[in-house]
Amino acid sequence: GAGVSQTPSNKVTEKGKYVELRCDPISGHTALYWYRQSLGQGPEFLIYFQGTGAADDSGLPNDRFFAVRPEGSVSTLKIQRTERGDSAVYLCASRSLGTSGRYEDTQYFGPGTRLTVL
Amino acid sequence: AQRVTQPEKLLSVFKGAPVELKCNYSYSGSPELFWYVQYSRQRLQLLLRHISRESIKGFTADLNKGETSFHLKKPFAQEEDSAMYYCALTFGNKLVFGAGTILRVKS
Repeated sequence: GAGVSQTPSNKVTEKGKYVELRCDPISGHTALYWYRQSLGQGPEFLIYFQGTGAADDSGLPNDRFFAVRPEGSVSTLKIQRTERGDSAVYLCASRSLGTSGRYEDTQYFGPGTRLTVL
Repeated sequence: AQRVTQPEKLLSVFKGAPVELKCNYSYSGSPELFWYVQYSRQRLQLLLRHISRESIKGFTADLNKGETSFHLKKPFAQEEDSAMYYCALTFGNKLVFGAGTILRVKS
C-alpha cells in the first residue's frame, strides 16, 4: 500500500512568512510523529499525535510552531513568522497499534519537506 | 539525558572488507535500540532492531549494556551498502537519533 506522503517536497519562503507542511500517514496508523532534521544532524523529535490529540509536544522549539491532526489522519505542521534557523528537512512518520494493543516498534517515514527560509 | 552518539561522520571501506559502525547511548532505563538507513534519494527506513536479534542484509548489531553500545557490523561490505546510517533509541514513544554515519563502500 501507499507509504507516508508529505507535501510539498520543497518549500522556499521569506523570513517572517507563515508556512504549512502536510503529512498523510499510512492508512489506519494511529500514531503520527513530526521530526526536524538540520544539515549534518539526525532527525530531532518535535511532536507526537495519538489519534487526534498531541500526546507529546515537548520537542516543539517555541510557540511559533504548532501542529494539528483534526480527524486523526492527516496532520499539518504550522510555522509562524519563519526564521532562517527554521530551514531544515521536516520529516513525518507514522506507526500502527498492533493487535496486542501496543504500538508496533517500527516508525514509517515520509520523504520529508525541505524548508528553506531566505 | 537520553543521547545517542555516533562518533564517525564518515566511514570508507573497500568492497569485501568488514564494516563496524559505532553507536553509544546514554539512557537510564532499559533501552530499545534501532538502526535506520537512508539510501540515496530514498526515505529513512528501519534496518534492524535489537529486540528481534535479527540479521538484515548481512548486518547484525548486539546490545552491550556494560559498554552502552549498539555497534552495527557486517563481515563483508558490498557497494549497495553505501548509505547514511542512523542509530536511534526509543524514549517514551519517540525516537532519539544519533547524528548519523555515512558509509562509503569503494570498489
